[in-house]
Amino acid sequence: GAGVSQSPSNKVTEKGKDVELRCDPISGHTALYWYRQRLGQGLEFLIYFQGNSAPDKSGLPSDRFSAERTGESVSTLTIQRTQQEDSAVYLCASSLAGTVYNSPLHFGNGTRLTVT
Amino acid sequence: AQTVTQSQPEMSVQEAETVTLSCTYDTSESDYYLFWYKQPPSRQMILVIRQEAYKQQNATENRFSVNFQKAAKSFSLKISDSQLGDAAMYFCAYRSLQGGSEKLVFGKGTKLTVNP
Repeated sequence: GAGVSQSPSNKVTEKGKDVELRCDPISGHTALYWYRQRLGQGLEFLIYFQGNSAPDKSGLPSDRFSAERTGESVSTLTIQRTQQEDSAVYLCASSLAGTVYNSPLHFGNGTRLTVT
Repeated sequence: AQTVTQSQPEMSVQEAETVTLSCTYDTSESDYYLFWYKQPPSRQMILVIRQEAYKQQNATENRFSVNFQKAAKSFSLKISDSQLGDAAMYFCAYRSLQGGSEKLVFGKGTKLTVNP
């Protein structure tokens, strides 16, 4: 079936605006993850969903960041009052229930966010 | 907190030759998972190989193999018979088995160039 889909592919926004990033996981994948990748850096964990619940949101950098998931499917990552340091690629991944070892992550192509 | 270090920001290899990418990590845990991911220009992260820390035997996947040295906390990736399609960013990642978290901790990556 289709892979993980993220939209938009690219987003340019002005400092102070709010943005919403969308992730459509692979159908049937109950686990969903958001990561952030700054230029020249590795991936930083943001949040993990199991179904519609987020048992680990320890990576969200500030209260300007929030995420939700509905219907054990689509997830949105919202960044309020964007700052220039929020500029990065935001990657979403999904997997079947289970550990990341037994159920490898399937990543989308990411949303490149540029805050001007 | 665990950390993952990739000391080679860039590497290059001739087509058909062998290259080894380095990864070291810092942890006080005795059991954990380790991964290598590949990120081509499309930005989509692709799992290359995985290793459980309690397994002595090094993992292999076709042309890809690892040299896992648990005492040294080293997890290097060897690519044999390099192909042009192997050119990408390669990320080493660590997953703790404690605390119930499913998050991966990534290194900063190594950019691999394959020369024809």
